[in-house]
Amino acid sequence: EAQVTQNPRYLITVTGKKLTVTCSQNMNHEYMSWYRQDPGLGLRQIYYSMNVEVTDKGDVPEGYKVSRKEKRNFPLILESPSPNQTSLYFCASSLRGMNTEAFFGQGTRLTVV
Amino acid sequence: AQSVTQLGSHVSVSEGALVLLRCNYSSSVPPYLFWYVQYPNQGLQLLLKYTTGATLVKGINGFEAEFKKSETSFHLTKPSAHMSDAAEYFCAVTNTGTASKLTFGTGTRLQVTL
Repeated sequence: EAQVTQNPRYLITVTGKKLTVTCSQNMNHEYMSWYRQDPGLGLRQIYYSMNVEVTDKGDVPEGYKVSRKEKRNFPLILESPSPNQTSLYFCASSLRGMNTEAFFGQGTRLTVV
Repeated sequence: AQSVTQLGSHVSVSEGALVLLRCNYSSSVPPYLFWYVQYPNQGLQLLLKYTTGATLVKGINGFEAEFKKSETSFHLTKPSAHMSDAAEYFCAVTNTGTASKLTFGTGTRLQVTL
């Protein structure tokens, strides 16, 4: 089954404790991206990757890091989480870019206390 | 630059009534337009998309949308609402020059009542 898998689905952590949210897709997609969803703001892009070893900033990259060492994986790293990073995070992938159909993971609800 | 405005953060309709969710976009070049649906506790799923060609686009679950360049709109409609349509709906825009980014609207939560 074609899918984007995020882990964990729920995470509560404390300020400053490094964490990684994993994202994996099994569709051989070139493009992957991370979004955060906040009430009243819709989805905002954090980082994206057009292919392996190619990443770039989206609209709200501050406080986040990503890497794309393999085509299927695109982890999101919070080196020192802060409460303003409490949000719902989605990983997405598509064949070549966001002008083709994007497939989304089920989301990771992160709470930073 | 590109942007999307969705009018109405909450829309409530009766089962069997017409669903109309509004979306206006801004794009300096011809846009690609999308509607995505998010059911509770799930990721987003593509409903339909417009790239080029026919301006009336049909999607899944009986939804359709019409691209109107003169009005910069891409409203989503469904003739008869069903309880299972209750979800949050997002309009989004990109274009051939910015395939790296899909810009979303703030979403419209659709409630369907008996």
